[in-house]
Amino acid sequence: AQKITQTQPGMFVQEKEAVTLDCTYDTSDPSYGLFWYKQPSSGEMIFLIYQGSYDQQNATEGRYSLNFQKARKSANLVISASQLGDSAMYFCAMREGYSGGYQKVTFGTGTKLQVIP
Amino acid sequence: DAEITQSPRHKITETGRQVTLACHQTWNHNNMFWYRQDLGHGLRLIHYSYGVQDTNKGEVSDGYSVSRSNTEDLPLTLESAASSQTSVYFCASSERGRTDTQYFGPGTRLTVL
Repeated sequence: AQKITQTQPGMFVQEKEAVTLDCTYDTSDPSYGLFWYKQPSSGEMIFLIYQGSYDQQNATEGRYSLNFQKARKSANLVISASQLGDSAMYFCAMREGYSGGYQKVTFGTGTKLQVIP
Repeated sequence: DAEITQSPRHKITETGRQVTLACHQTWNHNNMFWYRQDLGHGLRLIHYSYGVQDTNKGEVSDGYSVSRSNTEDLPLTLESAASSQTSVYFCASSERGRTDTQYFGPGTRLTVL
């Protein structure tokens, strides 16, 4: 089974509108972390936001928020007031486990977001 | 400012040659990682290190090796390059903490002919 599933290979959003990028995960580890990264066409990977499995509140960073629904094992990224510069690939990732210091991070296959003027 | 750099940024090599990709970070992070990125696969972990002299295999480690002789560097070596190793390679580092956020280098595009 896929550890991280991003079901939307591509999405369009109108400039200034909000958009939700879906991510579901699969783990039996009670302690884990969820991340979102942005990869613009230039290729670098940019960290956006983090959510810990024990965090009570949804993480927010500026226009980015993470809609964390633990029971449904989903960690959707919400971008408010989309800007043209938000056009990029977005990757969801999960960090599992600290057994013996082991830190396994698994990435999804990404969602390509295009913002339309 | 602290950063993580990779060199070269682009490399073309021939099948069977040994290739080494450099990764250098000035964050003073203990943890370093190598990933490859291929269309349809996202990022897949090749090797990782939690400190000097520590190295571990990731999910796609065959044909790759790493060594960690200091905190700052984790070079990735392809012992005998194969066309299947044509990819974009990312190095990342993190400091163990609450978030363990990994910070990525700019990537190296490797083509094996």
